[in-house]
Amino acid sequence: DTAVSQTPKYLVTQMGNDKSIKCEQNLGHDTMYWYKQDSKKFLKIMFSYNNKELIINETVPNRFSPKSPDKAHLNLHINSLELGDSAVYFCASSPIGQSYGYTFGSGTRLTVV
Amino acid sequence: GENVEQHPSTLSVQEGDSAVIKCTYSDSASNYFPWYKQELGKGPQLIIDIRSNVGEKKDQRIAVTLNKTAKHFSLHITETQPEDSAVYFCAASVNDMRFGAGTRLTVKP
Repeated sequence: DTAVSQTPKYLVTQMGNDKSIKCEQNLGHDTMYWYKQDSKKFLKIMFSYNNKELIINETVPNRFSPKSPDKAHLNLHINSLELGDSAVYFCASSPIGQSYGYTFGSGTRLTVV
Repeated sequence: GENVEQHPSTLSVQEGDSAVIKCTYSDSASNYFPWYKQELGKGPQLIIDIRSNVGEKKDQRIAVTLNKTAKHFSLHITETQPEDSAVYFCAASVNDMRFGAGTRLTVKP
């Protein structure tokens, strides 16, 4: 059973489209995150949710909107996709208030053409 | 906020040699320092971690050292094998995890 699962694994779409990436964790963690990994492999935190409440919102365009229907799910919706949004997006989770036990999903490779 | 710097960005070693990756951090309140290994097409996987009250930790061929005074920590891999080839990330954490830029390690057979 996958601990942190993301769907889809690959996503190819045209500029201007709206798309969503889903994330689910079955670890019982209270905190979930979205990271963006660019072509140079740099991992940058985008959002952090703690038990459905937004904790961290780094400097991310407001075209990106996270939604957490419950503490086991954190979805990422992206409006008006741009070429620069092409990257690998990772979901992660951790126990509440802890960085210990930080677990990543396998990533979603988004390509905007 | 926390800033983590990682060196080198690429590292190539011969099988059987040792590899060392170094990181520095800026926030003296950081208290947890994990290392992640990312293989091609996969998410980062935790390989070893160290907490601020410990100076060194070892797990088989990998070890991590922490110097809190100097605010730097290092990953040491001994007797490297081709399957150690991957991108390695250090991170530092107070409330959330901040990652270094990664080191691409290549182990040549």
